[in-house]
Amino acid sequence: SQQGEEDPQALSIQEGENATMNCSYKTSINNLQWYRQNSGRGLVHLILIRSNEREKHSGRLRVTLDTSKKSSSLLITASRAADTASYFCATDALGSNYKLTFGKGTLLTVNP
Amino acid sequence: SQTIHQWPATLVQPVGSPLSLECTVEGTSNPNLYWYRQAAGRGLQLLFYSVGIGQISSEVPQNLSASRPQDRQFILSSKKLLLSDSGFYLCAWSVGHGTGYGYTFGSGTRLTVV
Repeated sequence: SQQGEEDPQALSIQEGENATMNCSYKTSINNLQWYRQNSGRGLVHLILIRSNEREKHSGRLRVTLDTSKKSSSLLITASRAADTASYFCATDALGSNYKLTFGKGTLLTVNP
Repeated sequence: SQTIHQWPATLVQPVGSPLSLECTVEGTSNPNLYWYRQAAGRGLQLLFYSVGIGQISSEVPQNLSASRPQDRQFILSSKKLLLSDSGFYLCAWSVGHGTGYGYTFGSGTRLTVV
């Protein structure tokens, strides 16, 4: 079953704009992770935020986590055409034995 | 440094034929290993995971099986493929203890059953 659900399913923006993707989940978590997938490729780990953290930054990425609302957001600032990819959130649920459950992803298209 | 190898990259197999996909990890010991399947335009579905040699947990009843004959080798198999087995198969590994670690994925195998 899908633990995380990303919103929107697809997002199209212009280069230089910011992109925000949201993720909602259902059960208590140890941590939440964001991954990126270029078309036809494997997934690349972007950032991990633990359940006791509220915000985390990595370069142009900013992730927030609201455990009371069971939601997270990924912000990509000053987007580039090379950021075009699918972005997935994944949850490490309490008691899951370190298994990640992935959402269906957000397809981000950054137009040059 | 750790690397993960997955092959083949693409595979076209007839219905009823057997399947063997292999995944190996280098540069780490006792990793957790995972097989995921991704249908077109969909998220990832966990198929199998392993926390040690010979230890396989199945997440979804299906036509597939997995084995871990060596610490850093994970194999996905089928005796007879079905059309519904088509998809993008991804192997991944993570640190074998504790939480708070991301997964490292292989480059995937695109399987088309015809």
